[in-house]
Formats: sequence, C-alpha cells, structure tokens
Amino acid sequence: AQKVTQAQTEISVVEKEDVTLDCVYETRDTTYYLFWYKQPPSGELVFLIRRNSFDEQNEISGRYSWNFQKSTSSFNFTITASQVVDSAVYFCALKGYTGANSKLTFGKGITLSVRP
Amino acid sequence: EPEVTQTPSHQVTQMGQEVILRCVPISNHLYFYWYRQILGQKVEFLVSFYNNEISEKSEIFDDQFSVERPDGSNFTLKIRSTKLEDSAMYFCASSREDSNQPQHFGDGTRLSIL
Repeated sequence: AQKVTQAQTEISVVEKEDVTLDCVYETRDTTYYLFWYKQPPSGELVFLIRRNSFDEQNEISGRYSWNFQKSTSSFNFTITASQVVDSAVYFCALKGYTGANSKLTFGKGITLSVRP
Repeated sequence: EPEVTQTPSHQVTQMGQEVILRCVPISNHLYFYWYRQILGQKVEFLVSFYNNEISEKSEIFDDQFSVERPDGSNFTLKIRSTKLEDSAMYFCASSREDSNQPQHFGDGTRLSIL
C-alpha cells in the first residue's frame, strides 16, 4: 500500500519569509515517482514538479526548491522569499510503478497562507 | 499550452438523479483518470482508463459509477443515482504514455447534491 503523509496542516508566514513544506511517503515499489501539486483558491490542481525514485538530485526552479531524500523517504518543498501569490494548498503525491497509468496517492495537503 | 477541460464547472443535482461529468483530455494523451476531492479533504483516486477500458478503480468507484470515452475526444464520468455524499469536486486528469509523466488536471467540476 502507498501512503503520503503531510504532517503540517496549515502554515502562515509573512511575505519574503522562506517556508518548507514536508512530505513523507511509504511504498513497497522500488521504482516510484513523487510529485508536488499546487491548488490555489480558485480550485484547480497545478503540477509543479516530478521526481523519480532513482534520481535523488535536488532541484531548484526560481524561488522553488525540492529536497528528495530516499533514506528518510522524504520529498520536501521549499519556497524562498514567499509571496502572497504562493498562498494555496500544496499536495505531495506518490505514483508507484504498477504500470504507466498508475494512480496518484495524495497527501492531505498543506494550506499555506502568505501575509503581506 | 494544451490543457484538460471539464464541463460544467458547477453542477447542482437532486439526490437520486443521474449526472454526467464531461472532460476533454489533452489530445495526445492516452491515459485518463477521475479523482474527487470532498470539501477540505485530500484528493482521492476513483478510476483510471486506457485503451477503452478501466485499468484500475478504487473502492469508492462502485456500481453507481461508470466511465466512457464515447468518441475520440471526450471522457465522461456518470453517477447513476446520486447520493448526498457524492457532493465533491471531481477532477479529470490525463497523461502521456510514459510512466514518469505527470498527470495534468482539469479545473474540476463542483458537484452539489441537494
């Protein structure tokens, strides 16, 4: 069985602060994929990043960075110099490799509020 | 950039009525999915679909649910006899054939059962 745990439920920061969103996962698959999605107040789900289980290289994209650590089964997401537009619910998701169209298992999401 | 489109954006239906939610996946995608999100909760998998048949379904996807790809572009979710607990946001998603490709989601249909 697959499981994604996002222990933080709500985080509130002041604009320009850095914030890290935690994600811990469980899977028996040796090959798997991890994702972060953003859900702004308008409700849509926006894909942010994908990481393969065999690629532990961390990634930076602008103000966003991701830290994948297989040893601790974690895939954390950091927003540097947060902005009000970053306010959203952020979901971590896991896809095991049982086939090309394996389902996504989502965490419960973290509500991030960035105050001006 | 191509996107998944869902209609309607909001559907209000009386309990016991049938409802059909519609989706147009991204044109070169081969794998299709439905997920739902009850208000304030996490996104839950319902069903995946490939090559005109269901690949996998969750325990939520019982006999009241069905999916269909009636033509080359649409992908529909039908709920035969809606219940109050079916009220949720329903997301359609599609992905390309590679297993590591992300699923791209539509904006969702908010289903309200009265």
